[in-house]
Amino acid sequence: SQQGEEDPQALSIQEGENATMNCSYKTSINNLQWYRQNSGRGLVHLILIRSNEREKHSGRLRVTLDTSKKSSSLLITASRAADTASYFCARVSQGAQKLVFGQGTRLTINP
Amino acid sequence: EPEVTQTPSHQVTQMGQEVILRCVPISNHLYFYWYRQILGQKVEFLVSFYNNEISEKSEIFDDQFSVERPDGSNFTLKIRSTKLEDSAMYFCASSESAPIAGRINEKLFFGSGTQLSVL
Repeated sequence: SQQGEEDPQALSIQEGENATMNCSYKTSINNLQWYRQNSGRGLVHLILIRSNEREKHSGRLRVTLDTSKKSSSLLITASRAADTASYFCARVSQGAQKLVFGQGTRLTINP
Repeated sequence: EPEVTQTPSHQVTQMGQEVILRCVPISNHLYFYWYRQILGQKVEFLVSFYNNEISEKSEIFDDQFSVERPDGSNFTLKIRSTKLEDSAMYFCASSESAPIAGRINEKLFFGSGTQLSVL
């Protein structure tokens, strides 16, 4: 399967703490993307990292990619209650015309 | 910011009935997608569509499913004879370019979804 694993499946932290979510995959990729989904809503693109990149930043978000380990992580620094959502990594496999989503991490930020 | 629009937001239908889910992608986008998400589960790829034909489809997208871009602005997903297990949130998405290396604007823009309930 092209779909990998995300861990943890659920994460609950206090406001102000950092949240780290991990994603692993099985096939070679062209790029990896992270999306956010508020309950019952559509997915919103957060950040994209290409296979030749190792780290990328966007505001309070930091994404790393280790192609040798086939893994990525999303770090949200100084978390806020409004960051409460599900976070998904999604891969574009080489030669594929589709984005494949992982299981997601349900993040809860406690005020 | 431009957005993908989906209608209806909720659709209730009887098993065996046909449903059509409608989407208006972002106007300058060329690639269109349908995904579905069963409650509490992962987001599953159904089909991608470019230049008036299917680019790729998943095992879920069997003969009961079809997609169409009837008029240059709408993008529809039809389920011919719905089953109970088709109950899910269906998301339409579009992108300006294909999700392969070397292209810009590879992110997907998603609509808010249509919640389909098959009774």
